[in-house]
Amino acid sequence: GESVGLHLPTLSVQEGDNSIINCAYSNSASDYFIWYKQESGKGPQFIIDIRSNMDKRQGQRVTVLLNKTVKHLSLQIAATQPGDSAVYFCAENGSGGSNYKLTFGKGTLLTVNP
Amino acid sequence: ETGVTQSPTHLIKTRGQQVTLRCSSQSGHNTVSWYQQALGQGPQFIFQYYREEENGRGNFPPRFSGLQFPNYSSELNVNALELDDSALYLCASSLQGLPEQFFGPGTRLTVL
Repeated sequence: GESVGLHLPTLSVQEGDNSIINCAYSNSASDYFIWYKQESGKGPQFIIDIRSNMDKRQGQRVTVLLNKTVKHLSLQIAATQPGDSAVYFCAENGSGGSNYKLTFGKGTLLTVNP
Repeated sequence: ETGVTQSPTHLIKTRGQQVTLRCSSQSGHNTVSWYQQALGQGPQFIFQYYREEENGRGNFPPRFSGLQFPNYSSELNVNALELDDSALYLCASSLQGLPEQFFGPGTRLTVL
């Protein structure tokens, strides 16, 4: 079945350091992946996405890496700031007719210490 | 451009009651998906609406139902509320055929 999971439930970093949040997925047919940031009391906020025909995509201070061989996804945040503190979810949007839903993992809580 | 909005923000109901949650999609989007997020968990897909019809459903019982209106806004209805229905209910809008989904702030439902 489909599942998306995260390796680490919590991550604590110092302000200015780089953060890496990891995610494993099990559906080898997945063709699209998204990272969301969710602050307390708010809905998930779109950060960056990547399609399965790519292995890297960069945004502003964020980079997503996709390793299809081991079904692993990571989100790198450069120069982490206190405002980056939140729960981060990876989500997978399946293929083969089921591309209408996102399957989320449990999330990683990122805490940035000043 | 208007983002996704949801109402109400918070809601308290008792077991057995019925509830209706509302969502207005982002301007230009024609598809609405609903998710349930229990405390400490990732969102779980309930169903999606496109062209006023259900376009896919997750593992939720029939007492979870929905509607989509001609202006693409949507409602989620839950009958015979159970304690385990307590959660944050999220609405996400998108353009049919594109995978990107953008979420609203959610409605926090508490069932006592």
